[in-house]
Amino acid sequence: NAGVMQNPRHLVRRRGQEARLRCSPMKGHSHVYWYRQLPEEGLKFMVYLQKENIIDESGMPKERFSAEFPKEGPSILRIQQVVRGDSAAYFCASSPPAGPILFFGPGTRLTVL
Amino acid sequence: QKEVEQNSGPLSVPEGAIASLNCTYSDRGSQSFFWYRQYSGKSPELIMSIYSNGDKEDGRFTAQLNKASQYVSLLIRDSQPSDSATYLCAVRSGNTPLVFGKGTRLSVIA
Repeated sequence: NAGVMQNPRHLVRRRGQEARLRCSPMKGHSHVYWYRQLPEEGLKFMVYLQKENIIDESGMPKERFSAEFPKEGPSILRIQQVVRGDSAAYFCASSPPAGPILFFGPGTRLTVL
Repeated sequence: QKEVEQNSGPLSVPEGAIASLNCTYSDRGSQSFFWYRQYSGKSPELIMSIYSNGDKEDGRFTAQLNKASQYVSLLIRDSQPSDSATYLCAVRSGNTPLVFGKGTRLSVIA
């Protein structure tokens, strides 16, 4: 049973480019969460999605960031016009519909030059 | 604003000793409590979950919860160098997202 999958594992972008991060939840999980971790910082919640619905985006910056979880395919976190401050590890987690436990993917480490 | 507080450490313990990690939280409505372990450069992995007051033991790990004091702790018995990592406390109310503390760095000295 595959765990949460994320790709790419490492992503390098120049300032002003777009970054697309992908997450496939564990089999049977329909809830996806995105967290960001800055160096030496804790995990900060960004957005919580179910298939075709954004449930909670209270942690998402108002500009340049968007997320989706389509009916088919992985969840996508999109960052437009990246800046150096976007450099961080982005973790996706998934949970089953009725369960409180989150299982994390390996993360995507974004570096903005 | 829901907050989860942890001492950042580092907490250094000798091999074989008991490591005690503490966490307090601000939201009295919190219902689910978790400890995750994160090695440097890796993703968080679940160590323990606890939902009711008291102790919960799993191997060398014991989680303790006191909802009245809004306090949750993790004890690691017979600490090993491989336990050296950052331990993240996380708290959840219903279906709201997990709120994490900044983590405590544990160093087990051989």
